[in-house]
Parts: sequence; C-alpha cells; structure tokens
Amino acid sequence: NAGVMQNPRHLVRRRGQEARLRCSPMKGHSHVYWYRQLPEEGLKFMVYLQKENIIDESGMPKERFSAEFPKEGPSILRIQQVVRGDSAAYFCASSQAGTSGETQYFGPGTRLLVL
Amino acid sequence: GENVEQHPSTLSVQEGDSAVIKCTYSDSASNYFPWYKQELGKRPQLIIDIRSNVGEKKDQRIAVTLNKTAKHFSLHITETQPEDSAVYFCAATQQSSASKIIFGSGTRLSIRP
Repeated sequence: NAGVMQNPRHLVRRRGQEARLRCSPMKGHSHVYWYRQLPEEGLKFMVYLQKENIIDESGMPKERFSAEFPKEGPSILRIQQVVRGDSAAYFCASSQAGTSGETQYFGPGTRLLVL
Repeated sequence: GENVEQHPSTLSVQEGDSAVIKCTYSDSASNYFPWYKQELGKRPQLIIDIRSNVGEKKDQRIAVTLNKTAKHFSLHITETQPEDSAVYFCAATQQSSASKIIFGSGTRLSIRP
C-alpha cells in the first residue's frame, strides 16, 4: 500500500519562473492538505482540497499561489513568478474522510530552491 | 484563530534520561492533539496523539498528557535513546475547521551518548 507520493523531491527555479508541485494521496484517500516549512521552522497550513473542490485556502498567499485537485490525477500546487522567499519544503498530507481527529499522513516533501 | 506555543526550542538530554516537551493552545474548542517526529530531511511522522476526552495516553516509552482546563499538553519520552534525536512538533486541530492542523514551532531534541 503506497503512501503519499510527491514529486519532484527537489526543484530548483530561477526568480520569475513557475514551480509546479505534485501530490498523489494514499490509496482510498480523497482529502489533500498542503503545508509549507521554511528552514528551521514549523509547518504552516496552506490549503485543504477534496476532489475538484478547494475547502479551505486560508493559509495560502492570495497572489502567485494556486492549488487544484482534479477528478483524475494528482493534486498540484502551483507557484507563479517565484521569489527567493518561496524557498522552502512543501509537504502534502492526505486523509480518508477529512474529519476532526483524523490522522493526516505526510508525503516526503518537495524542497524548492529559488535562485 | 488557533495558536500553538511549544517549549523548549532545543533540548539536550543524556541517553537514558527522560525528555519533556510542553505545548499550550489557545482555542478551547480544539479536540485533537497529534505529535509528529521529523528527522533531518524526512517527512513528519505521527508518533502519538490524544483526544480531548482523555487526560493521558501511553505507548511504550512515549506518553502524552492533556490538561484541558489549562490548555496545556505535554510529550514525555522515557529512557531516551540515540534514535530519539529529531525535531518534535506538537499540533492541535481546530473544532471549527476540522481538518486544519496548527503546528507548534518544534523542539530539536538531542540525545547525548
């Protein structure tokens, strides 16, 4: 039973380019969460999605960031016109039912470096 | 919104001794408190969790306690071993936004041989 998958594991972009991060949830999970971890800091919630729906995007910057979870395929976190401050580890997690108290399982993360 | 404070930020203990990490939360409606362990360059992994209807939970060398009145919860690791060295995060789930996990800032635990 494969766990949460993320790719790429490492991504290098120059300022102004686009970064596209992918997350495939665990089998049977239809709820996906994205978190950002700046160096030497904790994880900060960004966005929560179900298939074809954004449920909560209160932690996501209003500009340059977008997320989707299409009916088919992985969830995608897109960062347009990246800046150096976007350099961080981006983790996605998945859960089965999206209820309070339900365990979220984390992927290995994508480490984004903006030059 | 919910805010989770975690102390200390770094902790060094002798192998075999106990380690205690403390957290406080602000939203009295929070009802689920997971603890995650993150090794360098790895993903966060759930090690233990506690719900608001329980005051204490133990799993081998790891135990968590919850004081709902004071809005405190703590992680206790006994008989520490070198493999316990990692960053530990406490977290809380808001009742009003069931799936958003709010993390503490982390404690870097080092076990001295």
